[in-house]
Amino acid sequence: EPEVTQTPSHQVTQMGQEVILRCVPISNHLYFYWYRQILGQKVEFLVSFYNNEISEKSEIFDDQFSVERPDGSNFTLKIRSTKLEDSAMYFCASRSGRSSNEQFFGPGTRLTVL
Amino acid sequence: AQSVTQLGSHVSVSEGALVLLRCNYSSSVPPYLFWYVQYPNQGLQLLLKYTTGATLVKGINGFEAEFKKSETSFHLTKPSAHMSDAAEYFCAVRGSGGGADGLTFGKGTHLIIQP
Repeated sequence: EPEVTQTPSHQVTQMGQEVILRCVPISNHLYFYWYRQILGQKVEFLVSFYNNEISEKSEIFDDQFSVERPDGSNFTLKIRSTKLEDSAMYFCASRSGRSSNEQFFGPGTRLTVL
Repeated sequence: AQSVTQLGSHVSVSEGALVLLRCNYSSSVPPYLFWYVQYPNQGLQLLLKYTTGATLVKGINGFEAEFKKSETSFHLTKPSAHMSDAAEYFCAVRGSGGGADGLTFGKGTHLIIQP
């Protein structure tokens, strides 16, 4: 069964460093998303991406964040200069198309900023 | 704008007992509603969803939920709990209008099954 994959499963970085979280959405899906979950808090929407551009972003998704689909299969989230408060589980999701409402989630990347 | 409230961060039931996980939402437009389950070290898996039509929706693993517009609720139930149901459950909402489709999640309910 097709699934969304994410790498790495756990990333540890120093404050101020850049990190790139990687996701491989389900093949032939057209809509892509990033969410995050700070420990003990709710899952929060960050950004959605369609047709090679951001279609929606939340207040959390400030200038420190960027997304890219560099090669037609990967979907990446970059944090330019990490802060302690960026420590969280980051989930990638994808959706097939307009007629489908289901977002398929990956297993997440746990980001720890020291 | 949407929001979701899940009452009870932890719910404990005995194996074989009824499971009831509560979800209330607010939405300025007709909502699409979802329940996701998360097992340890795994991603979020869709249990069921309501978009339009029948307000009682059935999902995987014997779960069902009923959309009650008057109560702005979408509670999740299962008649008889199984040990394998122990997991974290998330209710989510998105607006039914075109454009914005990021999900708004509740804080989650940890379901504990007592033997």
